[in-house]
Amino acid sequence: ESVLTQSPGTLSLSPGERATLSCRASQSVSSSYLAWYQQKPGQAPRLLIYGASSRATGIPDRFSGSGSGTDFTLTISRLEPEDFAVYYCQQFGSSQWTFGQGTKVEIK
Amino acid sequence: EVQLLESGGGLVQPGGSLRLSCAASGFTFSSYAMSWVRQAPGKGLEWVSTISVSAATTYYADSVKGRFTISRDDSKNTLYVQMNRLRAEDTAVYYCAKQEFDTTGFYSYFDYWGQGTLVTVSS
Repeated sequence: ESVLTQSPGTLSLSPGERATLSCRASQSVSSSYLAWYQQKPGQAPRLLIYGASSRATGIPDRFSGSGSGTDFTLTISRLEPEDFAVYYCQQFGSSQWTFGQGTKVEIK
Repeated sequence: EVQLLESGGGLVQPGGSLRLSCAASGFTFSSYAMSWVRQAPGKGLEWVSTISVSAATTYYADSVKGRFTISRDDSKNTLYVQMNRLRAEDTAVYYCAKQEFDTTGFYSYFDYWGQGTLVTVSS
């Protein structure tokens, strides 16, 4: 079972800045099986990226995903006030779905 | 519009049982795999269980295997999870999530989520 490790745990940035979030897998993950989610306090998670780099319906193009193998990245090109939230990566493998522990993007 | 509405949460004693339901609308329920994902207070997301189309295959996290049973009623557009022998560590918000097919044809990610129902296991 592949473990996903996200870094950093917390990212303190200002609106307008670029955010780069990392997700590292303990075993190689098919790019088709890597997704990213955003969660705001008191809300359900929202799908941002699937297949490592495809944006979900309605997701602004400031969000982009990249990577392959064991290293994946979520980039927010210019942070908007509504982007401050917790972000999770997720993968499927060995008949299990697993999530990273999350990265909190907070206002500096 | 896809809607997923969970119900059935509440306070239960350790060792007790609870059944959660998720009423789905806005899509052809019978054509999609469905899952339960939970989130303990202040913690991250944990996948719990998945059921395939036609209930052909079920999957469980090791933490709930043998205690939880996922099922679906396509005639009622409803997903269930029967939770037995509950423990304090099962305390969480339980989300129902619809799964989508990826480019390989497998249902590897969750494209819609309900708002969740809180399960508290405590004496």
